Amino acid sequence: AQKITQTQPGMFVQEKEAVTLDCTYDTSDQSYGLFWYKQPSSGEMIFLIYQGSYDEQNATEGRYSLNFQKARKSANLVISASQLGDSAMYFCAMFLGRYSSASKIIFGSGTRLSIRP
Amino acid sequence: AAGVIQSPRHLIKEKRETATLKCYPIPRHDTVYWYQQGPGQDPQFLISFYEKMQSDKGSIPDRFSAQQFSDYHSELNMSSLELGDSALYFCASSLSGSNYGYTFGSGTRLTVV
Repeated sequence: AQKITQTQPGMFVQEKEAVTLDCTYDTSDQSYGLFWYKQPSSGEMIFLIYQGSYDEQNATEGRYSLNFQKARKSANLVISASQLGDSAMYFCAMFLGRYSSASKIIFGSGTRLSIRP
Repeated sequence: AAGVIQSPRHLIKEKRETATLKCYPIPRHDTVYWYQQGPGQDPQFLISFYEKMQSDKGSIPDRFSAQQFSDYHSELNMSSLELGDSALYFCASSLSGSNYGYTFGSGTRLTVV
């Protein structure tokens, strides 16, 4: 069965430090996509970064990078130089299939990140 | 850039009432998804539509129904509301054939009292 596991319910990090949020996934499919979303206290779901299972290079988007280790089935999010505004809930998510056509996303349980000034 | 628009942002209903949530996908996106996120929970998939046809169904109660219209907007209808239906309801849209592009709306927060 497909599953996303986030083992860190909460994390505290000092401002300007780098932080790694863990995510492991389980699927027998060869084609899949992995997302990270940020959900601040206001509730909206903000897309951060995407990694396709066939992508050979790790995805990067500004201060966000995805450490994709396919053999270990892990897709950790790395935030460099954390900022106070990074405090939020972070969800790792996966869809199955090479294309997103009508493919639902499954979510992990989330990690609440708190940045200390 | 245009995003996924959901309305209303907040909704308060009494038990046993009916609620209708609306979702306007990103222009040219042909697939719409609905998710329910209870307090302190991760979002759970409810239902999806591709080209106005239901394409997948998740843990959606029989009291709920949804459809996608000719202009691709979608509505989630919820009847006989229960206290446990209080949640954040997200709509997302994507374009088939693209390998990413899942975009969520800001959600509708439904409170049943």
